[in-house]
Amino acid sequence: AAGVIQSPRHLIKEKRETATLKCYPIPRHDTVYWYQQGPGQDPQFLISFYEKMQSDKGSIPDRFSAQQFSDYHSELNMSSLELGDSALYFCASKRAGSSYNEQFFGPGTRLTVL
Amino acid sequence: AQTVTQSQPEMSVQEAETVTLSCTYDTSESNYYLFWYKQPPSRQMILVIRQEAYKQQNATENRFSVNFQKAAKSFSLKISDSQLGDTAMYFCAFMKKAGGYNKLIFGAGTRLAVHP
Repeated sequence: AAGVIQSPRHLIKEKRETATLKCYPIPRHDTVYWYQQGPGQDPQFLISFYEKMQSDKGSIPDRFSAQQFSDYHSELNMSSLELGDSALYFCASKRAGSSYNEQFFGPGTRLTVL
Repeated sequence: AQTVTQSQPEMSVQEAETVTLSCTYDTSESNYYLFWYKQPPSRQMILVIRQEAYKQQNATENRFSVNFQKAAKSFSLKISDSQLGDTAMYFCAFMKKAGGYNKLIFGAGTRLAVHP
């Protein structure tokens, strides 16, 4: 079965650079979530989209922005990168009306800021 | 606001034995979902088991079962016949049901080591 695809899997950037993370949800999934997991921490919700509209927002820095496109893929744009942005970024997708509102996670993008 | 607490940072168990991981949560919601996720060294988030608050029967998935105590706001995970492949970080997570597109709120996690 198709899974959530995230690219790139690994990304190394310098401080103050920008980064773009991409997420391709499971076909027919219309909701995308972004989570950030710092070293030794639990995943923290950043932002979500439903039918290309932002549906919820968590502790996402103003330096970050995201959107969902007409094909339902989503991109997380991160500017003025800081050392503290080094983390594993997960994308998860869900189909509206699914049982348990279950979110399916991608493999994550590991971002390292030097 | 909802919170999830996992009071056991680390646990260890011998292969083939049983271990229980604790999770408590706080919410004013009447209906919600609870999940246990496993994160092995690969860092992939894998759903282990799920429970809807309105369902009184405890969920089971093969060797994994939960003890859901709604009044006590407790949601523990029992792993029977532990296997080496169960070694991982385990996260308890809460999601409110209302709205339909709600975020997961995770606990801090419990690192489980299964020893031969």
